[in-house]
Amino acid sequence: SQQGEEDPQALSIQEGENATMNCSYKTSINNLQWYRQNSGRGLVHLILIRSNEREKHSGRLRVTLDTSKKSSSLLITASRAADTASYFCATDAYSGAGSYQLTFGKGTKLSVIP
Amino acid sequence: DVKVTQSSRYLVKRTGEKVFLECVQDMDHENMFWYRQDPGLGLRLIYFSYDVKMKEKGDIPEGYSVSREKKERFSLILESASTNQTSMYLCASSTWTGGADTQYFGPGTRLTVL
Repeated sequence: SQQGEEDPQALSIQEGENATMNCSYKTSINNLQWYRQNSGRGLVHLILIRSNEREKHSGRLRVTLDTSKKSSSLLITASRAADTASYFCATDAYSGAGSYQLTFGKGTKLSVIP
Repeated sequence: DVKVTQSSRYLVKRTGEKVFLECVQDMDHENMFWYRQDPGLGLRLIYFSYDVKMKEKGDIPEGYSVSREKKERFSLILESASTNQTSMYLCASSTWTGGADTQYFGPGTRLTVL
């Protein structure tokens, strides 16, 4: 079942602008992660935010988490053409025997126009 | 760096064929996962494994089986391929971090069943 839902489905911006993507989820989480996927490739982990954190930064990335609203946002500042990719949020669930299962949203497709 | 490799980037098979997709990781990770990715549906978990010879069903296991005889290798098997199994298949691995598991993905195998 799909846990996270990203919004918008697609986003097109000019190079240098900021890009904001949102993720909503349904059930309680342990942490929330954001991944990036370049066209036709595998996913790459970007950042993880724990349920007791409200904001986290990594380079040009800023992630916020509002557990009361069951939502998260990913902000990419000063975007570059190389940021063109699909971005996915993923929420976790404990699946037993020391393993966490991730449930991914459908992704936001970001296009950064040079 | 963690490296997850998949046996083929592109694969074309015929309906009814038995198909093996291989995944190898080099970081001694306990957990391995198989997903399929389809437009508009995002990533869906097929099977995962948290130890050698252990396997657990994901959200869409029907028509698939898996094998994990060695810790570094996780195989996805399509016993009798069908056209609705045409998809991008992604393998991932993770290690137990006490609730902050990050998954590392392979480059994906784009399978076409004719």
